[in-house]
Amino acid sequence: RKEVEQDPGPFNVPEGATVAFNCTYSNSASQSFFWYRQDCRKEPKLLMSVYSSGNEDGRFTAQLNRASQYISLLIRDSKLSDSATYLCVVNSPGFQKLVFGTGTRLLVSP
Amino acid sequence: DTGVSQDPRHKITKRGQNVTFRCDPISEHNRLYWYRQTLGQGPEFLTYFQNEAQLEKSRLLSDRFSAERPKGSFSTLEIQRTEQGDSAMYLCASSSTSGSGSYEQYFGPGTRLTVT
Repeated sequence: RKEVEQDPGPFNVPEGATVAFNCTYSNSASQSFFWYRQDCRKEPKLLMSVYSSGNEDGRFTAQLNRASQYISLLIRDSKLSDSATYLCVVNSPGFQKLVFGTGTRLLVSP
Repeated sequence: DTGVSQDPRHKITKRGQNVTFRCDPISEHNRLYWYRQTLGQGPEFLTYFQNEAQLEKSRLLSDRFSAERPKGSFSTLEIQRTEQGDSAMYLCASSSTSGSGSYEQYFGPGTRLTVT
């Protein structure tokens, strides 16, 4: 089983739509969780850290369910500029490395 | 620009040649990481430094790979006797040990390696 699993998509949505991505992780001892955004042939950029209580940043909401080992990202009012690959990331317990999912591709169309 | 920088951005080399990449982290960050990313995959961890000490190495880092961070600032990643399977994007990231965001890593633009 992969350490971090995501639906690869692509998710095709119209502008203004709400879209949700899900991710599961295998190591229950993981303590830090993130969503990164990656544009084609560019580096991953930190979108948001995910906290136990859930957190929101503008149109983006991240939630964590430790019991189910599940992380989600909700994007409201999608913009064309949201088109990218969204990477679910967890820390590897006892190590400094981050473990990345393969990413979920989002395509927002006019 | 105070972000992570990497040089070169692109490298094309023939199989069997040696290549070296450089990474300059964010200046106040004492942790530096190397990752490798191939098409359709997320980045995979290669190695990590805290200051000048190399503290973690992935099994992906074969004997042909070596990384250094001699003064705890910039780092180099060398690949000897390159193989076609080494073709990938090599990403460098840095983070700080202080504050609540100590696991947050910030990536450079990457070095895209093509081995022909």
